[in-house]
Amino acid sequence: QVQLQQWGAGLLKPSETLSLTCAVYGGSFSDYFWSWIRQPPGKGLEWIGEINHSGNTNYNPSLKNRVTMSGDTSKNQFSLRLDSVTAADTAAYYCASVYCGGGSCYSATFNFWGQGTLVTVSS
Amino acid sequence: QSVLTQSPSASGTPGQRVTISCSGSSSNIGSNTVNWYQQLPGTAPKLLIYSNNQRPSGVPGRFSGSKSGTSASLAISGLQSEDEVDYYCAAWDDSLNVVVFGGGTKVTVL
Repeated sequence: QVQLQQWGAGLLKPSETLSLTCAVYGGSFSDYFWSWIRQPPGKGLEWIGEINHSGNTNYNPSLKNRVTMSGDTSKNQFSLRLDSVTAADTAAYYCASVYCGGGSCYSATFNFWGQGTLVTVSS
Repeated sequence: QSVLTQSPSASGTPGQRVTISCSGSSSNIGSNTVNWYQQLPGTAPKLLIYSNNQRPSGVPGRFSGSKSGTSASLAISGLQSEDEVDYYCAAWDDSLNVVVFGGGTKVTVL
């Protein structure tokens, strides 16, 4: 069973860069697609984007200009970078694996999740 | 404002059947499968139903999902106190090219 462990800075100032990493255990980064999802305090879930084992990415257009996702096959990790953060980016950020089966991957099916990282943006 | 529409709350007494609805459009629910997530306070969401009506291993059989047209439903049969948490629906949207979520439904066990 895949387990995801994530880490990164929890307190940022406006205009700084958010950087989170998610390590994959019990599975291979090369075998699946991987996503980042965030949840502002007391609010619903927002999909940030996904990356596959080939390094191909697909970002939410609402964040596209500020988001970069990358993967490291050798370390079995993938990362999220969000530039120029503001208070509106304050949220719990989750990494998640995308379910793949029968030769297809289903972008809205997140079968395993990291524990979450609360990122607060405040001056 | 979420692309998928869920009622903010639902309630029932222990043992009752509760249904949560998720309404979308032809570009999301109408053309893609629906997934449901359960979220306990302070924890990551957990996949509860995938591909409209499939339960991952370990999910109790009292949770079931269905889809018709541009709407989907999650049913909880035999409601238990531990079911008093938040539930979210999700699907891919072909027009927006993003995963879209419902705003979430909080279930209360009376």
